[in-house]
Amino acid sequence: ETGVTQTPRHLVMGMTNKKSLKCEQHLGHNAMYWYKQSAKKPLELMFVYNFKEQTENNSVPSRFSPECPNSSHLFLHLHTLQPEDSALYLCASSQRTGNTGELFFGEGSRLTVL
Amino acid sequence: KNEVEQSPQNLTAQEGEFITINCSYSVGISALHWLQQHPGGGIVSLFMLSSGKKKHGRLIATINIQEKHSSLHITASHPRDSAVYICAVRQGGSEKLVFGKGTKLTVNP
Repeated sequence: ETGVTQTPRHLVMGMTNKKSLKCEQHLGHNAMYWYKQSAKKPLELMFVYNFKEQTENNSVPSRFSPECPNSSHLFLHLHTLQPEDSALYLCASSQRTGNTGELFFGEGSRLTVL
Repeated sequence: KNEVEQSPQNLTAQEGEFITINCSYSVGISALHWLQQHPGGGIVSLFMLSSGKKKHGRLIATINIQEKHSSLHITASHPRDSAVYICAVRQGGSEKLVFGKGTKLTVNP
């Protein structure tokens, strides 16, 4: 138990569906992150939020839309995805961004796009 | 070429063996992370270090900044250590972590 909870753990969706991934952290952290892990590839940073403000968008397609309503919750809204978007999506949090931010990860949401 | 290279890619060991996983990077960094990912997908942070050596239980992590190299050692390995071990570096002044592809470790009883 890392203190970061992701739901759902598994999601199958069609290319025309709209769905959302949810992340909640119970650690009192100020920074939250979305990462993508595709098969045989290193983890890729998607988005960074610091005190609810987006501080990094790593050239992610607009079909992925993040939302951070408060420092404890982070969403990833998905619409008109492609099969190549199938991957494990990991949420993480840290006390703050920057050099001293040790990361705490959730269990991940495994997404399959048909 | 990835900025973070890990070796070996796969490693099989017998229970009790001493294990070393290596990480080399090509950029200036402010910190290096070692992470453990179990088959279910969840990732646990093992170490964050910027110099020297850290120890936690049977795990030891070292870093040589001049040589741009880090090692993760596991003493008295156990089947429950079977996982993917990932090295990641934070470039100086950046939000971004750059990850290696991971080393898949299997420890047989």
